[in-house]
Amino acid sequence: DGGITQSPKYLFRKEGQNVTLSCEQNLNHDAMYWYRQDPGQGLRLIYYSQIVNDFQKGDIAEGYSVSREKKESFPLTVTSAQKNPTAFYLCASSPQGAFSGNTIYFGEGSWLTVV
Amino acid sequence: GQQLNQSPQSMFIQEGEDVSMNCTSSSIFNTWLWYKQDPGEGPVLLIALYKAGELTSNGRLTAQFGITRKDSFLNISASIPSDVGIYFCAGRQGGSEKLVFGKGTKLTVNP
Repeated sequence: DGGITQSPKYLFRKEGQNVTLSCEQNLNHDAMYWYRQDPGQGLRLIYYSQIVNDFQKGDIAEGYSVSREKKESFPLTVTSAQKNPTAFYLCASSPQGAFSGNTIYFGEGSWLTVV
Repeated sequence: GQQLNQSPQSMFIQEGEDVSMNCTSSSIFNTWLWYKQDPGEGPVLLIALYKAGELTSNGRLTAQFGITRKDSFLNISASIPSDVGIYFCAGRQGGSEKLVFGKGTKLTVNP
């Protein structure tokens, strides 16, 4: 099946630990994104990547890191520096960058809870 | 970051009623998108709009790209229980890689 796969669906982290959320897409999309969703705040952009080995900070990048070593993969690491990491994390991808006007498609999300 | 003003925040309607929600911005957008999100799932794209004045339908859903390019609306006709969820608008400004999202409209449909 084609699509965007996020794992794990549920993740618990102890304070002070780093955790990595996986995102894989087999849609051959160039651009990939990570969003954070909190109740009542909509979706906020953490990082995005338009091409392999390149990525840019979004609006709330502090405390997060990413890599884009392969076109199909865009893992997100939530570091211990992120003060309030409990949230729903959404990965997305888009066929091309912004200038084509293409839309983005989302994975099913990952719940991260700090315990 | 910039956000879109989406209204209403929530709606409670009876099955069979029509629904209308909208998004506005102080800035011009060249793409408007509407998504639906079920609890605990990722948003699913409903309708994409790329041209000012464009009116596009997807089954019982109709969305329009405002002529001023600063707003968009989504209508749902003859609502059914499975329409329940959160509807998000999103817009992209010219030359920008980023999508800006509204805070969502939570729809509840009473059978």
